[in-house]
Amino acid sequence: AQSVTQLGSHVSVSEGALVLLRCNYSSSVPPYLFWYVQYPNQGLQLLLKYTTGATLVKGINGFEAEFKKSETSFHLTKPSAHMSDAAEYFCAVSDQKRDDKIIFGKGTRLHILP
Amino acid sequence: GAVVSQHPSRVICKSGTSVKIECRSLDFQATTMFWYRQFPKKSLMLMATSNEGSKATYEQGVEKDKFLINHASLTLSTLTVTSAHPEDSSFYICSASNFSTADYGYTFGSGTRLTVV
Repeated sequence: AQSVTQLGSHVSVSEGALVLLRCNYSSSVPPYLFWYVQYPNQGLQLLLKYTTGATLVKGINGFEAEFKKSETSFHLTKPSAHMSDAAEYFCAVSDQKRDDKIIFGKGTRLHILP
Repeated sequence: GAVVSQHPSRVICKSGTSVKIECRSLDFQATTMFWYRQFPKKSLMLMATSNEGSKATYEQGVEKDKFLINHASLTLSTLTVTSAHPEDSSFYICSASNFSTADYGYTFGSGTRLTVV
């Protein structure tokens, strides 16, 4: 069975500082990995995804994540936080079967301090 | 990119009535759609996987007679909350899997806030 663990339900960073949101996964097969962002009362927007190939994945809004198989991690980073980055972030995993369900972590609320 | 339209965005209903939520893939065919429920400040809980032309697969603990899912076409899935009660109040989100070669992934609707009074 697959699972996702996001360390830290709340993370606070100062505007302009590095953002690091941690995600570790468990999967018995090579996974597909995703990061989504959710603003209040809205659906989820895909930030980036890893399927195959290059392990460093660049996404929208300056975010990137690196797939590290040896560490079973897929941490999300952004060099310089912006106030508009304040939101809920979800890491998710699915296996590589077509139409398979996606499993979410519990989410990390990112707070940006002025 | 792929777009999923979910309606209504908000609905208030009386206890005992039924509510239908629609999820449409606008520019792609979705053989599989997923329905999630999200409690306040919580993660998304998968309720069921909806496959076009067949019965939905429900996750453990989800009442299939309470949450009726229909996936009659490749672009439309519906979730009907039957005999709604206040504890069914929640944020419901649908998702469709998109397997075009250029854009593998899951596209989410904007969610439906259900309030049962």
